[in-house]
Amino acid sequence: AQSVTQLGSHLSVSEGALVLLRCNYSSSVPPYLFWYVQYPNQGLQLLLKYTTGATLVKGINGFEAEFKKSETSFHLTKPSAHMSDAAEYFCAVSETGNQFYFGTGTSLTVIP
Amino acid sequence: DARVTQTPRHKVTEMGQEVTMRCQPILGHNTVFWYRQTMMQGLELLAYFRNRAPLDDSGMPKDRFSAEMPDATLATLKIQPSEPRDSAVYFCASGLFWGLAGELFFGEGSRLTVL
Repeated sequence: AQSVTQLGSHLSVSEGALVLLRCNYSSSVPPYLFWYVQYPNQGLQLLLKYTTGATLVKGINGFEAEFKKSETSFHLTKPSAHMSDAAEYFCAVSETGNQFYFGTGTSLTVIP
Repeated sequence: DARVTQTPRHKVTEMGQEVTMRCQPILGHNTVFWYRQTMMQGLELLAYFRNRAPLDDSGMPKDRFSAEMPDATLATLKIQPSEPRDSAVYFCASGLFWGLAGELFFGEGSRLTVL
């Protein structure tokens, strides 16, 4: 069975500081991995995804994530946080495209 | 700009009433998911359809919830009778999947409050 673990339900960073959101997954086969962002009162939007190929994936708004098979991780980073990055971030895994398993989310606060 | 459309955006109802939420998936997408989001449980998969056929509805309380896709442009989620514990945001998401993982496109959600 697949599962996704996001360490830390809340993260506060200062504006301009590094953002690091952690995601670990369990999967019996090479997974497809996703990061979604949810702004208040909105649906989830895709930030980036890993399917095959290059393990460092670049997404929108300056975010990137690296697939590390040996660590079963797919951490999301951004070098410099902006106030507009304040949102909820969800990691998700899918093996077949039939089911998406979401983590519990990490709420990011950016302090001016 | 193609997007998933959900109605209503907000619904307040009394316990025991029937609630129907509607979703128009992105044209051409072959898979539709229904999720429920609450503070306590996070995102829960309720049901999903491929090419309008239900593939999995194990996440739904069968006695009160039902999901259908009467045609390719409409998915519905019905609760009858509604209970206060059904209060949540219900999301519809659609995607195009052909044996590989595509990506999900989410609607803005239907916020349900059952009094």
